[in-house]
Amino acid sequence: ILNVEQSPQSLHVQEGDSTNFTCSFPSSNFYALHWYRWETAKSPEALFVMTLNGDEKKKGRISATLNTKEGYSYLYIKGSQPEDSATYLCAFVNDYKLSFGAGTTVTVRA
Amino acid sequence: DTAVSQTPKYLVTQMGNDKSIKCEQNLGHDTMYWYKQDSKKFLKIMFSYNNKELIINETVPNRFSPKSPDKAHLNLHINSLELGDSAVYFCASSPAVRNTIYFGEGSWLTVV
Repeated sequence: ILNVEQSPQSLHVQEGDSTNFTCSFPSSNFYALHWYRWETAKSPEALFVMTLNGDEKKKGRISATLNTKEGYSYLYIKGSQPEDSATYLCAFVNDYKLSFGAGTTVTVRA
Repeated sequence: DTAVSQTPKYLVTQMGNDKSIKCEQNLGHDTMYWYKQDSKKFLKIMFSYNNKELIINETVPNRFSPKSPDKAHLNLHINSLELGDSAVYFCASSPAVRNTIYFGEGSWLTVV
C-alpha cells in the first residue's frame, strides 16, 4: 500500500483569500504526481501532471509545486472564488500504478 | 459525446442479485480502470486493464469480475450483491498506464 497523504482534510476560506494545501508521497520510485479537481456530483478532472523535481505548474489562479526529493507537492489557490469549492485529489504514480490521496475539500465562503 | 460513459448511472437492487455496470471510452485509450469510492469519498483502485489485459487486481472479492471485450470497453460484473457493495463506482481510462486519468460520471449502486 502506497502512503499518499493530503492535509488538511478540509478547509474553509473566505472569498478573495489565498490558500494552499499539501500532498505527501513516497520519495522512492517516483514517476509522476497528478492533481485532480473533483466538484460535487461530478467526476474528477485532471489539473496538473508533474514529473520533474522543482516543477511548477499554473492554470489560472491555481498553481502547484513539486519536491520529489522530500516527497511533497503544494497546491495553491490565489484569490479564492466560490467556484473553486471542490475536493482536490493528488495521485502518486510509481513504476506501475497510480495511487490517490484522500483529498482536501475546499469550501470558499462568499 | 461523453468521453468515458458508464451505465447505469443509478442502480438499486436487492441483496443476492447479480448486476453489471458497463463502461465505454471513445478516446482511443489503451488503459481502463474501475475505482470504488468509499464512504469517505476515497477513490480505491479495483482493476486496471491495458490493451484488454488485466494488469492490476487489488484486493477485491472474487464476486467482482471485470471483463474487457475490447480496448474501448471494460464492464464490471458483481455476483451475489451484499449491502457493503453499496458505493459509487467510477470507470476511467488513460492513454497508457500512469498517464492522466479520465473519469466517467460514476454509477451509484445501492444494495437493499
